[in-house]
Amino acid sequence: NAGVTQTPKFQVLKTGQSMTLQCAQDMNHNSMYWYRQDPGMGLRLIYYSASEGTTDKGEVPNGYNVSRLNKREFSLRLESAAPSQTSVYFCASTRLAGTPGTGELFFGEGSRLTVL
Amino acid sequence: DAKTTQPNSMESNEEEPVHLPCNHSTISGTDYIHWYRQLPSQGPEYVIHGLTSNVNNRMASLAIAEDRKSSTLILHRATLRDAAVYYCILRVPYGQNFVFGPGTRLSVLP
Repeated sequence: NAGVTQTPKFQVLKTGQSMTLQCAQDMNHNSMYWYRQDPGMGLRLIYYSASEGTTDKGEVPNGYNVSRLNKREFSLRLESAAPSQTSVYFCASTRLAGTPGTGELFFGEGSRLTVL
Repeated sequence: DAKTTQPNSMESNEEEPVHLPCNHSTISGTDYIHWYRQLPSQGPEYVIHGLTSNVNNRMASLAIAEDRKSSTLILHRATLRDAAVYYCILRVPYGQNFVFGPGTRLSVLP
């Protein structure tokens, strides 16, 4: 049981390049999330998808787009990367959308992105 | 969203109990209290959650104050593997956003 799988684990980009971070979960979860984590800080929500076919902005969505490809997969795209987007990106999922307080988050191992 | 306040860092000796505090004075009556931890170079992992009553699981115990304005995560016997950043977060019922603050960095000394 793989849980939440993110690819790639490491990526170096030049300013202005584009790339897509892929995330897949095999737990039949409805809700999926993308967070970023900067050094010494907590996680900040970029986008989330409460269920297949829906996406919503989180705290820091500017410069990013997302696609919920199907129930398993949720991708994060940087159209024109900037140095400020250098960060570690985490994908997460939870069992049921809108559960009343249970529904723990399961995280991937992270994708470390450097933009030069 | 109601916010939480945690100490930036704490130290503990191996095999001793650790009490990690969290203040959430603006918590609403229906917010759940969740704890996660993040080991070095890994994604966060769920530890425990509760609403009003104290909770125990194989990883830890959660003690919730009677007025729910604070809570304490208890690791009964710290091991070196427990060195991590611990996050206390509030989960709004049916909400989608888990808001993570900076957390508490726990160091465990051998």
